[in-house]
Amino acid sequence: QSALTQPASVSGSPGQSITISCTGTSSDVGGYNYVSWYQHHPGKAPKLMIYDVSNRPSGVSNRFSGSKSGNTASLTISGLQAEDESDYYCSSYTSINSLVLFGGGTKLTVL
Amino acid sequence: QLQLQESGPGVVKPSETLSLTCTVSGDPVSRTIYYWGWLRQPPGTGLEWIGSIYHTGSTNYSPSLKSRVTISLDTSKNQFSLKLTSVTAADTAVYYCARVEILTGYSMGYWGQGTLVTVSA
Repeated sequence: QSALTQPASVSGSPGQSITISCTGTSSDVGGYNYVSWYQHHPGKAPKLMIYDVSNRPSGVSNRFSGSKSGNTASLTISGLQAEDESDYYCSSYTSINSLVLFGGGTKLTVL
Repeated sequence: QLQLQESGPGVVKPSETLSLTCTVSGDPVSRTIYYWGWLRQPPGTGLEWIGSIYHTGSTNYSPSLKSRVTISLDTSKNQFSLKLTSVTAADTAVYYCARVEILTGYSMGYWGQGTLVTVSA
């Protein structure tokens, strides 16, 4: 049971949009609309940004959006701001063994 | 307001057992719409799912750690615990507890602040 696959890093300039992908299998990402995204600043608790593929918790900026196609989910951040620079992780429910799988994380750099 | 707080030794000797407890305030761990999970982040690497427990005592573990992990629940103290046996330096990490919310796709909206556990003689 492998972790979900994310790019190691992405970057963008302030005001631009970026997309982070998260690829799994039909047993996790592709089989259920149970993908979540987390923002994680070092030394702090991770923050839930998206759940159920595309839903934002209360208080999360609408610059953050999520989508899914087949076995790949995506997180898009529009109107990049310096404060968005962080590590981002996807997770998904899995029907095999562990209940939840995480991606390896993507470091977002705002240039 | 829900709060989760990890507690336990900050240093564990190699080959010994790492034991951590997560104390939950603001919501009973016996609620049927949640699992209670443990995750960790070794230095320089990403978040890793360790496993979870449901109010029935049913558990799910990461296959890579399953042979060494036990998660348990104490509803009388509103706590859940992690035991990881035969630790090595590779188990050095910040350990987090979190509430896994079934109704929002097994997402984790509440986390503890994390506790650093170092494996060292």
